[in-house]
Amino acid sequence: NAGVMQNPRHLVRRRGQEARLRCSPMKGHSHVYWYRQLPEEGLKFMVYLQKENIIDESGMPKERFSAEFPKEGPSILRIQQVVRGDSAAYFCASADRADSPLHFGNGTRLTVT
Amino acid sequence: GENVEQHPSTLSVQEGDSAVIKCTYSDSASNYFPWYKQELGKGPQLIIDIRSNVGEKKDQRIAVTLNKTAKHFSLHITETQPEDSAVYFCAASLKSNTGKLIFGQGTTLQVKP
Repeated sequence: NAGVMQNPRHLVRRRGQEARLRCSPMKGHSHVYWYRQLPEEGLKFMVYLQKENIIDESGMPKERFSAEFPKEGPSILRIQQVVRGDSAAYFCASADRADSPLHFGNGTRLTVT
Repeated sequence: GENVEQHPSTLSVQEGDSAVIKCTYSDSASNYFPWYKQELGKGPQLIIDIRSNVGEKKDQRIAVTLNKTAKHFSLHITETQPEDSAVYFCAASLKSNTGKLIFGQGTTLQVKP
């Protein structure tokens, strides 16, 4: 049973480019969460999605960031016009129910040059 | 807003000794408290969790205690081994949505052989 799969593991973008981060949840999991981790810090909640629906995006910046979890395929976190401050590790986690423990992927490390 | 404070930020112990990490939370509505272990270059891995209807939970060398009145909870690792060396995060959330976690700042545990 594969865990949460994230790709790419590392992503380098120049300022102003777009970054697309992908997450395939564990089999049978329909709840997906995205977190951001800055160096030497804990993880910060960004967005919570269920299939085709955004449930809670209270932690996501209102501009340049968007997330989706389509009926078919992985969840996507999209960052437009990246800036240096977007450099961080982005983690996806999934669960089979809203009250179940989270399982995290190994993250995508975004570097903006 | 909701906040989780974690101490100490670094902890060094000799192999075989015990390690204790403490966290306090601000939101009295929180009722789910997981602990995660994060190794270098990987995502957080759930090691133990506790819900507010119990005061203590144990799993082999790992135990967690919860004091809801004082709003603090602790992780206890006994008979530490070098492979326990990692960054440990506490977190808190509502039991109805355990995925929207507020994380502590992390504790870097070093177990010296």
